Amino acid sequence: RKEVEQDPGPFNVPEGATVAFNCTYSNSASQSFFWYRQDCRKEPKLLMSVYSSGNEDGRFTAQLNRASQYISLLIRDSKLSDSATYLCVVTPGPSGGSYIPTFGRGTSLIVHP
Amino acid sequence: GAVVSQHPSRVICKSGTSVKIECRSLDFQATTMFWYRQFPKQSLMLMATSNEGSKATYEQGVEKDKFLINHASLTLSTLTVTSAHPEDSSFYICSASSLGYEQYFGPGTRLTVT
Repeated sequence: RKEVEQDPGPFNVPEGATVAFNCTYSNSASQSFFWYRQDCRKEPKLLMSVYSSGNEDGRFTAQLNRASQYISLLIRDSKLSDSATYLCVVTPGPSGGSYIPTFGRGTSLIVHP
Repeated sequence: GAVVSQHPSRVICKSGTSVKIECRSLDFQATTMFWYRQFPKQSLMLMATSNEGSKATYEQGVEKDKFLINHASLTLSTLTVTSAHPEDSSFYICSASSLGYEQYFGPGTRLTVT
């Protein structure tokens, strides 16, 4: 089983739709979780950190489910500009002995008019 | 968010030459810097992890003598691709992290070896 798994998609949705992605991780000692966004031929940019209590930033909501070892990203009222690849990143904490992050392969989102 | 710069943004070189890529954290001290490579339509592949003042840790399959990494200070890491070949043509991206939290990525360097 891969350490971090994501559905590669693409998720093809109309403007205004709500779309959700999940990301599962295998290392139960993982401590830090993030969602990044990567546009074509550009570097990844941090979208949001994922906290145990969940967090929301405008149209974006991220949640963590430690029991089932997955994180999710919900995008409401999709915009054309949301089209990108969304990368899930999981990092072990100090107890894991390493801060090396593990990236998922990314989920492609295409928002069409 | 924090700013990471990378230079050059694009480089074309001849086969057999060496290319140095710089990665700088501009407004924070990066305890760890990571070097990635990304081929078209593929995911990021971690090449090596670099901690300031110590030798880099390379991922399996990455030749340390070909991809020389130096992390001389808390704000600068360099990647030198030695004796570059066309198959080394790729998008090289660095990222910087402080104490293992969020990573901030440089804008990437597009290397083309002819």
